[in-house]
Amino acid sequence: DTGVSQDPRHKITKRGQNVTFRCDPISEHNRLYWYRQTLGQGPEFLTYFQNEAQLEKSRLLSDRFSAERPKGSFSTLEIQRTEQGDSAMYLCASSSTAGTALNEKLFFGSGTQLSVL
Amino acid sequence: DQQVKQNSPSLSVQEGRISILNCDYTNSMFDYFLWYKKYPAEGPTFLISISSIKDKNEDGRFTVFLNKSAKHLSLHIVPSQPGDSAVYFCATGGATNKLIFGTGTLLAVQP
Repeated sequence: DTGVSQDPRHKITKRGQNVTFRCDPISEHNRLYWYRQTLGQGPEFLTYFQNEAQLEKSRLLSDRFSAERPKGSFSTLEIQRTEQGDSAMYLCASSSTAGTALNEKLFFGSGTQLSVL
Repeated sequence: DQQVKQNSPSLSVQEGRISILNCDYTNSMFDYFLWYKKYPAEGPTFLISISSIKDKNEDGRFTVFLNKSAKHLSLHIVPSQPGDSAVYFCATGGATNKLIFGTGTLLAVQP
């Protein structure tokens, strides 16, 4: 399977705990994105990497959130001291910068569903 | 503020008929637009895109129309099939490298 892989698929945690999600992008893609989706909303941009460099972060990404892509391949998203409002689907996507912006469509993983109790 | 709006949260269509999903945007600087389809428990998948230099793009049963003066785009699915039942998101990007998504429209195609 050469698609975007996310782990775990589901995570249930208690308020105040830390959680970490992993994303493995399509291997030849140099851009990796994190989005968050809540019920009834579209995916909201959180952050993106080009290779190992984190180039943009949304103001939605509070200090409790940190994302890394240490070797320009897989990425992790950590949420510290989780709150109930963090409950959402966290989606990872990847794309290639080869070609025009119009061709830079994102390929999404199946997401990690986080429930904070 | 919602830069991309999908004002119809749901749409029900009979199999074989046309489905029309609508999307409005606020920023005239957006220069490309995409539609994504999402099934439950899966990530969104790319469906079709259009550049602002065009007003129509067609791919099989799917056609996207862009009206720049009205800042409006629509997705037409003809003929609609039960397998098309999903949530459809319009998305757009501009000078930035991220996509901005609408809130989605749930399409139900009745057999």
